[in-house]
Amino acid sequence: DVKVTQSSRYLVKRTGEKVFLECVQDMDHENMFWYRQDPGLGLRLIYFSYDVKMKEKGDIPEGYSVSREKKERFSLILESASTNQTSMYLCASSLVALGQETQYFGPGTRLLVL
Amino acid sequence: LAKTTQPISMDSYEGQEVNITCSHNNIATNDYITWYQQFPSQGPRFIIQGYKTKVTNEVASLFIPADRKSSTLSLPRVSLSDTAVYYCLVGLRSSGAGSYQLTFGKGTKLSVIP
Repeated sequence: DVKVTQSSRYLVKRTGEKVFLECVQDMDHENMFWYRQDPGLGLRLIYFSYDVKMKEKGDIPEGYSVSREKKERFSLILESASTNQTSMYLCASSLVALGQETQYFGPGTRLLVL
Repeated sequence: LAKTTQPISMDSYEGQEVNITCSHNNIATNDYITWYQQFPSQGPRFIIQGYKTKVTNEVASLFIPADRKSSTLSLPRVSLSDTAVYYCLVGLRSSGAGSYQLTFGKGTKLSVIP
């Protein structure tokens, strides 16, 4: 079974802190994704990566950056956390061509920014 | 770019068939349609994917008309454990402005009643 793990289930940070959310997949997938999920808004794509060191912006990249130094690991970085970044963050990975793939999701990290 | 529209919520009694429709009027030629299921405090889980006509697997069927402007997820004989949020997903492609869009619907909350 594909396994996607995220470094924390719950995280509390203060405004202005730098926050790292880590995601690791164990199936040698090329594609990895970061989403945020908010009530009434569904899932929104922040960034995705289709290869090591490659990244593409999604729908809502502002205030975020990402890093993919190794194929299995995709990090989401909040350079200076703000209260409007309080959300559920979901990581996913997939193997096949973009748009046709099955995405495998991690359990999510619920981030609270005070 | 394809936007998706789903009903916000649906109720059904146990043992009934449930049909959830997603509209995606601007679907592109290369787009596939994928449905995911999400339980509280978990990441979404793949249910089924299709391009046209009908697809069936062990848990659901997916009906896509010839114009592909909508799709219907059919869950046969639902049980209490099918209570979840169901998302339809269409494609992932460039928005033409240096970012990519992956259009998840806002989800349909299905409540199965005993």
